[in-house]
Amino acid sequence: QLQLVESGGGLVKPGGSLRLSCAASGFTFSDYYMTWIRQAPGKGLEWVSYISHTSTYTNYADSVKGRFTISRDNAKNSLYLQMNSLRAEDTAVFYCARITTPYSQIDYWGQGTLVTVSS
Amino acid sequence: DIQMTQSPSSLSASVGDRVTITCRASQSISSYVNWYQHKPGKAPEVLIYGASSLQSGVPSRFSGSGFGTDFTLTISSLQPEDFATYYCQQSYSTPYTFGQGTKLDIK
Repeated sequence: QLQLVESGGGLVKPGGSLRLSCAASGFTFSDYYMTWIRQAPGKGLEWVSYISHTSTYTNYADSVKGRFTISRDNAKNSLYLQMNSLRAEDTAVFYCARITTPYSQIDYWGQGTLVTVSS
Repeated sequence: DIQMTQSPSSLSASVGDRVTITCRASQSISSYVNWYQHKPGKAPEVLIYGASSLQSGVPSRFSGSGFGTDFTLTISSLQPEDFATYYCQQSYSTPYTFGQGTKLDIK
């Protein structure tokens, strides 16, 4: 069945880096845009970034632009989020999710991985 | 950025109640609104897309309406499994933005 499984979260010091991964299965990964969404503790959902089918198009929230890089490997059915210059306010559960087009709903989400930025 | 103002922020209701949650966009977004249900420790799930279309597999007690700036999610008869947090989201333009959430709990 359809699965999105995030990994790579953990504790990192301010200014540090972390790379999140998302392994997709149960669907044709290369047919879909993919996106990252995050939720800070006790807060609502915040869209972070998306990437198109063949990586031609990417888009970022202003809060992460220049620090985070989204990428994908269709041969490995995997999505990534490279996070640099991490700040305390980046502490959140990060969800990998699937969208059909940039205007469509997020139709499937992973369970999330927790990133904690603290000294 | 498009702001999505969701209300109420919390709601207490009983099984069998009819519940309505509203979302107002800061500018017209046609029908590019989606609604999600989120339970603690689980992945969010889409309920309604395109303002009024029911996602496959979602019970018909969930419905959505609206166009332009004002949108509504209605649960016609609350079931025990419906107690969760609900979010609206606009997919009209980036940055995609979510409402602040409505926490629905048992009265």
